[in-house]
Amino acid sequence: LAKTTQPISMDSYEGQEVNITCSHNNIATNDYITWYQQFPSQGPRFIIQGYKTKVTNEVASLFIPADRKSSTLSLPRVSLSDTAVYYCLVEAGGFKTIFGAGTRLFVKA
Amino acid sequence: DTEVTQTPKHLVMGMTNKKSLKCEQHMGHRAMYWYKQKAKKPPELMFVYSYEKLSINESVPSRFSPECPNSSLLNLHLHALQPEDSALYLCASSQVGSYQETQYFGPGTRLLVL
Repeated sequence: LAKTTQPISMDSYEGQEVNITCSHNNIATNDYITWYQQFPSQGPRFIIQGYKTKVTNEVASLFIPADRKSSTLSLPRVSLSDTAVYYCLVEAGGFKTIFGAGTRLFVKA
Repeated sequence: DTEVTQTPKHLVMGMTNKKSLKCEQHMGHRAMYWYKQKAKKPPELMFVYSYEKLSINESVPSRFSPECPNSSLLNLHLHALQPEDSALYLCASSQVGSYQETQYFGPGTRLLVL
């Protein structure tokens, strides 16, 4: 299973775009990249998943370069309610799920 | 309905007690998971059931005993726990597919072992 590395924490202000980069140098051909968000005392919530290039949904975008050794989660115009921990996971099929340390995002007014 | 429910929300137990955590989903998912999460740490996978059969046991001590009575229910039986087992216990479910399926998590049970 590929190991992921993320910044431990990030600060931002309301209305700004936030980009969180995840490094996964040992990603395998069959691996997908998935991001989850977790608020205190709640379970993680799926944000976005991708394999290559760019994926966008109603809450975020995911940018994956051609070599797939990293990925960037982009949150447009963050608000105070986006303060949370963001986890990057890199795995192929199967059930063995390993969460990395995560990035604590703090959005300030 | 994309909800995973867990009961109880909070649980305090002594080291000699026996208790159970319950998880339920009605999304038709055939994979169900138990995770343990300590404060300011990521969730750690404990068990996975696929089609009601235990698929993964991450070398969890036998004082934790999972059970999957049917495709919608997942239990975690607790016996003779230690104070270091105090944590947030998360349940999740997903489809069974050929790639990384989205997991839907419950709100967790906050467990305190005295």
